[in-house]
Amino acid sequence: AQKITQTQPGMFVQEKEAVTLDCTYDTSDPSYGLFWYKQPSSGEMIFLIYQGSYDQQNATEGRYSLNFQKARKSANLVISASQLGDSAMYFCAYSSASKIIFGSGTRLSIRP
Amino acid sequence: DVKVTQSSRYLVKRTGEKVFLECVQDMDHENMFWYRQDPGLGLRLIYFSYDVKMKEKGDIPEGYSVSREKKERFSLILESASTNQTSMYLCASTYGSYEQYFGPGTRLTVT
Repeated sequence: AQKITQTQPGMFVQEKEAVTLDCTYDTSDPSYGLFWYKQPSSGEMIFLIYQGSYDQQNATEGRYSLNFQKARKSANLVISASQLGDSAMYFCAYSSASKIIFGSGTRLSIRP
Repeated sequence: DVKVTQSSRYLVKRTGEKVFLECVQDMDHENMFWYRQDPGLGLRLIYFSYDVKMKEKGDIPEGYSVSREKKERFSLILESASTNQTSMYLCASTYGSYEQYFGPGTRLTVT
């Protein structure tokens, strides 16, 4: 069965620094997708970035980039130049054959 | 603007009651999902549906059932609510395996 792991329950980062949130997965599926979502204290889930397993280049969306290392089965989220508004829970998710599973999340706190 | 709505933001029910959580999406998505979210456990998949009248068990289906009579509506049913079902319930929809769109969530308390 597929499994997705986020090993950092919480992180503190100084404003304007870059931050990397870790995500590893375990699968034997040949085709899959990886996502990152942000959940601020208001509770809504906000889609950030997507990486397909066959994509040759790492996905980027503004200040977000996904460091995809297929052989290591890792899909870390990198946030450049962190801002106070980046403080939130971050979830990594794996999808295959219409099923999507989530990691346990990382709570990111940005210090001014 | 895409939208997933859930029938209630907050709900308080008594142990043993039958509880219905409704989710409606207006994007003509085939796939719909129900998750529960608990601190330290992330989002856990309860059930999902990839077509009308079709349903698949997720990771934690015990104590829950679902209904999908129309493409836009996916209902989660707690046949006999228990205190360990107190949680945040999130509904989501997607087309294929692309990004999911989430509803605002229902915070259910069972007393």
